[in-house]
Amino acid sequence: KAGVTQTPRYLIKTRGQQVTLSCSPISGHRSVSWYQQTPGQGLQFLFEYFSETQRNKGNFPGRFSGRQFSNSRSEMNVSTLELGDSALYLCASSLVAGSSYEQYFGPGTRLTVT
Amino acid sequence: QQQVKQSPQSLIVQKGGISIINCAYENTAFDYFPWYQQFPGKGPALLIAIRPDVSEKKEGRFTISFNKSAKQFSLHIMDSQPGDSATYFCAATVLNTGTASKLTFGTGTRLQVTL
Repeated sequence: KAGVTQTPRYLIKTRGQQVTLSCSPISGHRSVSWYQQTPGQGLQFLFEYFSETQRNKGNFPGRFSGRQFSNSRSEMNVSTLELGDSALYLCASSLVAGSSYEQYFGPGTRLTVT
Repeated sequence: QQQVKQSPQSLIVQKGGISIINCAYENTAFDYFPWYQQFPGKGPALLIAIRPDVSEKKEGRFTISFNKSAKQFSLHIMDSQPGDSATYFCAATVLNTGTASKLTFGTGTRLQVTL
């Protein structure tokens, strides 16, 4: 079974621009979560989508948004980019089975804002 | 507010030794505690996880010890190998609600296993 895929893997943008990142979850997984990873703040939860609806949200400004499509693929958008948005953005797909919960991460998109 | 504290920040262990990483949590509602391993350029990979109804879980060379009263849990890597050199993250979440996906991560431990 293919893992979580993210595109693009690397991205360089300029302050003020906007960016869209894409994530394809593991087949059969309906939940997609996004995380931001930086050396200073570590891994921080952005939001989760389940069945095309945002189910959970972290403490990030409204410049960070996302959506999920009917095939469970998800996109994340960051508008008006700031230097501090430079980070590794990770997508994870999840499956709940009984008392077990497993969240699988993709390789991430490395965003550099100059 | 940091809800999961992880230590040490970095760790150097000789090949064949035991690596121990500790985490402490504050939110007593947490009921699922996974550990992730991350290599450079890769996303975190789920290693092993534990629920609070057991005090220990072992999978191969990896063991989680859980102390509910102290609100602490730890990862033990037995017979550490150079291939185990990576960054390890503990995490916690509340499983039986719609917020299970909202993992709270520790700050990570960079493990180096020397020959």
